[in-house]
Amino acid sequence: GQNIDQPTEMTATEGAIVQINCTYQTSGFNGLFWYQQHAGEAPTFLSYNVLDGLEEKGRFSSFLSRSKGYSYLLLKELQMKDSASYLCACKEAGTALIFGKGTTLSVSS
Amino acid sequence: GAGVSQSPSNKVTEKGKDVELRCDPISGHTALYWYRQSLGQGLEFLIYFQGNSAPDKSGLPSDRFSAERTGGSVSTLTIQRTQQEDSAVYLCASSTDSGANVLTFGAGSRLTVL
Repeated sequence: GQNIDQPTEMTATEGAIVQINCTYQTSGFNGLFWYQQHAGEAPTFLSYNVLDGLEEKGRFSSFLSRSKGYSYLLLKELQMKDSASYLCACKEAGTALIFGKGTTLSVSS
Repeated sequence: GAGVSQSPSNKVTEKGKDVELRCDPISGHTALYWYRQSLGQGLEFLIYFQGNSAPDKSGLPSDRFSAERTGGSVSTLTIQRTQQEDSAVYLCASSTDSGANVLTFGAGSRLTVL
């Protein structure tokens, strides 16, 4: 089975940088995903890491350390529209994608 | 289709009734997933179909829940003898079976059991 842990809530201000951490325990690791979910909407894909290191995509970056079972999502130049839940998810080979409980980020002006 | 389509978008039912929720995945996507999300909670895995393989039913919470996928495309999630704790948004997602297997989600079916 899998165990995925991330903070429940975080707050930040517009223009700031925030880092959302995720730790996981799994066997047969086959990828770490981050999804964004705005209130009342379906989750949408943000990033995917399968190798160690940093993946940068605009204002969002995601980091993975497989040896430590650790990932983070870095959001730069925060905007009000970034207020959402951020879901860390882990995949094992041949199995379903399992999600953590999500981190609710509130961005204030 | 262009996206994952789910129906109904909203369903209100009485305790003890059976409900069926439908998912039409993206054409060509071989993997199909059902998740459940209660208010303010994360996504709870229910069931996973991958091609012609036997489905992974390990997430189904009880034998009142079942799902099938006909012809490798449309899937139906059936909840028998609904209980109030079944109230949630039921999300369907599909993906290819290659590369990153990025999931595309439908808008969900909101189930309310009175």
